[in-house]
Amino acid sequence: DSGVTQTPKHLITATGQRVTLRCSPRSGDLSVYWYQQSLDQGLQFLIHYYNGEERAKGNILERFSAQQFPDLHSELNLSSLELGDSALYFCASSVGNGVETQYFGPGTRLLVL
Amino acid sequence: ILNVEQSPQSLHVQEGDSTNFTCSFPSSNFYALHWYRWETAKSPEALFVMTLNGDEKKKGRISATLNTKEGYSYLYIKGSQPEDSATYLCASLDRGSTLGRLYFGRGTQLTVWP
Repeated sequence: DSGVTQTPKHLITATGQRVTLRCSPRSGDLSVYWYQQSLDQGLQFLIHYYNGEERAKGNILERFSAQQFPDLHSELNLSSLELGDSALYFCASSVGNGVETQYFGPGTRLLVL
Repeated sequence: ILNVEQSPQSLHVQEGDSTNFTCSFPSSNFYALHWYRWETAKSPEALFVMTLNGDEKKKGRISATLNTKEGYSYLYIKGSQPEDSATYLCASLDRGSTLGRLYFGRGTQLTVWP
């Protein structure tokens, strides 16, 4: 157990809908990262927050948004969902802002029908 | 976007065999290299973070080396066991404004047969 929690574990929804994925980092970690794992892709970086501020943005679609709250938990919002958004979404946390080990949560498996 | 490549894509070995695989990454602007172990139905588990050229790290039967000048890292598993079966991922961290962003390779899928 990495200490990073993600909810829900599984999510099934329909195209056009909106969902929110939640992540709680390890105690003491200030950074939260979101990654997407699709069937035909490796782990793709989406976005990084450090102590409430956005620090880096990757291949995140405009339909997706994220935020990190004052208690350091983070939410990833996916809207106008398409079939291709079906994937495993991981959250990771680290104590700092760069080279440190990133600890991964169990992931949320999203299926868009 | 950094191009991180891993080889081979998959590997099948017998229990007791030693094995190794490669991660290649751009050497310019290099900051750190991460190795992760990812078992099916679980989340990636951190193995090593390496930063210095010539660095060697060890965890039990698993070890890794780093060459930042030529842009590669090797992961070695000595005396493979069935429980070592997993996908091994490497990820490169680039210096600069996107610090914190890991670029992952596709992984090497290791299967160890009893």
